[in-house]
Amino acid sequence: LAKTTQPISMDSYEGQEVNITCSHNNIATNDYITWYQQFPSQGPRFIIQGYKTKVTNEVASLFIPADRKSSTLSLPRVSLSDTAVYYCLVPSEGGNKLVFGAGTILRVKS
Amino acid sequence: ETGVTQTPRHLVMGMTNKKSLKCEQHLGHNAMYWYKQSAKKPLELMFVYNFKEQTENNSVPSRFSPECPNSSHLFLHLHTLQPEDSALYLCASSQVGTDLDYIGYTFGSGTRLTVV
Repeated sequence: LAKTTQPISMDSYEGQEVNITCSHNNIATNDYITWYQQFPSQGPRFIIQGYKTKVTNEVASLFIPADRKSSTLSLPRVSLSDTAVYYCLVPSEGGNKLVFGAGTILRVKS
Repeated sequence: ETGVTQTPRHLVMGMTNKKSLKCEQHLGHNAMYWYKQSAKKPLELMFVYNFKEQTENNSVPSRFSPECPNSSHLFLHLHTLQPEDSALYLCASSQVGTDLDYIGYTFGSGTRLTVV
């Protein structure tokens, strides 16, 4: 079973900032939180990974509060091409495999 | 060539056929994985290989047979499949430490399999 919970879907408009929150109440002390993006008929693509506080790269930011029981992926100024499924993941027991949930379907409209 | 490469991209096979899916990673990773993604369903983990040894088989039917000859190549041999096996089959690799700390996955583009 997936160890994370996230909204099933979200709608946004071009140019807006999108925040997708994920709950991981049972996250282990050493677990990193990772987000992937998947377009139809393609493999998931790594977006960002973090352990605590804030991580930023060229495509997104990841905010992790002190208790680490949730995290928020922030996509600045989304475009139509950001329409995809976004997965929040933490490692399963054993640490080296990922169990995917349903993810969040993000639809960006013009 | 870089990343994770899967071939073929598309495959149509009859229920009595035997075919193989191939995955090759050029990242120097030591773990490889097969996932299945059926229409409108989450990815399902099928097999895990660490250092060429199979460490997980998630109750996958025997008509799916994985093979990992070295840390760069992974195969999925298919025989006597059923129409419900039609799906996107994804390969991934990662670098696993000696204490199995998670680093990150790189996925291939997948093989779209249709069983007729």
